[in-house]
Amino acid sequence: DVKVTQSSRYLVKRTGEKVFLECVQDMDHENMFWYRQDPGLGLRLIYFSYDVKMKEKGDIPEGYSVSREKKERFSLILESASTNQTSMYLCASSASETQYFGPGTRLLVL
Amino acid sequence: QKEVEQNSGPLSVPEGAIASLNCTYSDRGSQSFFWYRQYSGKSPELIMSIYSNGDKEDGRFTAQLNKASQYVSLLIRDSQPSDSATYLCAVHLNNAGNMLTFGGGTRLMVKP
Repeated sequence: DVKVTQSSRYLVKRTGEKVFLECVQDMDHENMFWYRQDPGLGLRLIYFSYDVKMKEKGDIPEGYSVSREKKERFSLILESASTNQTSMYLCASSASETQYFGPGTRLLVL
Repeated sequence: QKEVEQNSGPLSVPEGAIASLNCTYSDRGSQSFFWYRQYSGKSPELIMSIYSNGDKEDGRFTAQLNKASQYVSLLIRDSQPSDSATYLCAVHLNNAGNMLTFGGGTRLMVKP
């Protein structure tokens, strides 16, 4: 079974804080993805990575950065959290086009 | 026009009925299609994938693909209240690398 884990299920941060969201997969997948999901807006791709140290912008990269130092780990960084980044953050991994999701992190920025 | 479209619902069906969820896509060259189930507050869970025209059955679930008409459907037979969730259609568009394009989801409510 594919296992994708995310570091926190719930997170509360203050405006202006730097926030790290971690994602780890145990299936040796090449591809990893970060999405955010908001009511009425569906899943939106923030960043993705096809290999270690490689990253590509998705549809909404502004205000975010990512890091992939090891194949199994893909981190999403909010450099200076803002209230409009309150959302559900979902990590996914894949070997091909079939994506498997982690449990999600619900982030509240106050 | 969105690349992958679903009716947002809610689609309400009585327990034991067949629930029919539909998805249309714009890219005629798309080859791979997926259905994910997402319970409220949880993450999407893959339930079906389909690659060829026709039907693919897995238990109470049947995925149907019609590439000529550019739609993919999910049928849930003998619907149960536990099937109440949002169902996301995802399409691997042509020339999209390994990215998927997701529809907005259809909320299904199965009433006892």
